[in-house]
Amino acid sequence: EVQLVQSGAEVKKPGESLKISCKGSGYSFTSFWIGWVRQMPGRGLEWMGIIYPGDSDTRYSPSFQGQVTISADKSISTAYLQWSSLKASDTAIYYCAKQGGVAALQAFDYWGQGTLVTVSS
Amino acid sequence: DIQMTQSPSTLSASVGDRVTITCRASQSIGNWLAWYQQKPGKAPKLLIYEASSLERGVPSRFSGSGSGTEFTLTISSLQPDDFATYYCQQYNSYSRTFGQGTKVEIK
Repeated sequence: EVQLVQSGAEVKKPGESLKISCKGSGYSFTSFWIGWVRQMPGRGLEWMGIIYPGDSDTRYSPSFQGQVTISADKSISTAYLQWSSLKASDTAIYYCAKQGGVAALQAFDYWGQGTLVTVSS
Repeated sequence: DIQMTQSPSTLSASVGDRVTITCRASQSIGNWLAWYQQKPGKAPKLLIYEASSLERGVPSRFSGSGSGTEFTLTISSLQPDDFATYYCQQYNSYSRTFGQGTKVEIK
């Protein structure tokens, strides 16, 4: 069974750093792109970027380039999303999701449960 | 970035109704379009990929059509479990984008 299990909720202060995780199981982790999606409170879905764990090829949305870093550790089948300096506007639920096929152009067929990040002074 | 515009933003319908949601891309995306369903407090769920392919396990009352810049998601007979928010997503390039969502409410 394919599963993406994300790390737990975080409460941080502005300016702090953070790294959240997404552990894949039940499939070949290195063969499928994994992406990150932001959902701010009461708002829609925003595509942030994707990574190919096999070689760490990473692509970002222009809106998130330079604001976050996406990485992966294929030895433990885990993808990461990190911030070096959080802002209150980073408060959101962050989902990881796996693409549905090995080709580059695929929809997300499995999703993690989401990680709530709250940034408040 | 390719912009995706959904309409309507909110839709009120009754059980049994035929429902259609439209998604328009700011430039041609071929058939690289997916539809997702999201319920409150839950992760999105893939319904349709490549514009018209039904994801395994999704009821056949859901269907997708279109290509290029105009796409539709149709629910042939709305069921109680279908009241949710629906998003389209283009994946024509490495910079993907979602539509703003359509909330399907009970009339």
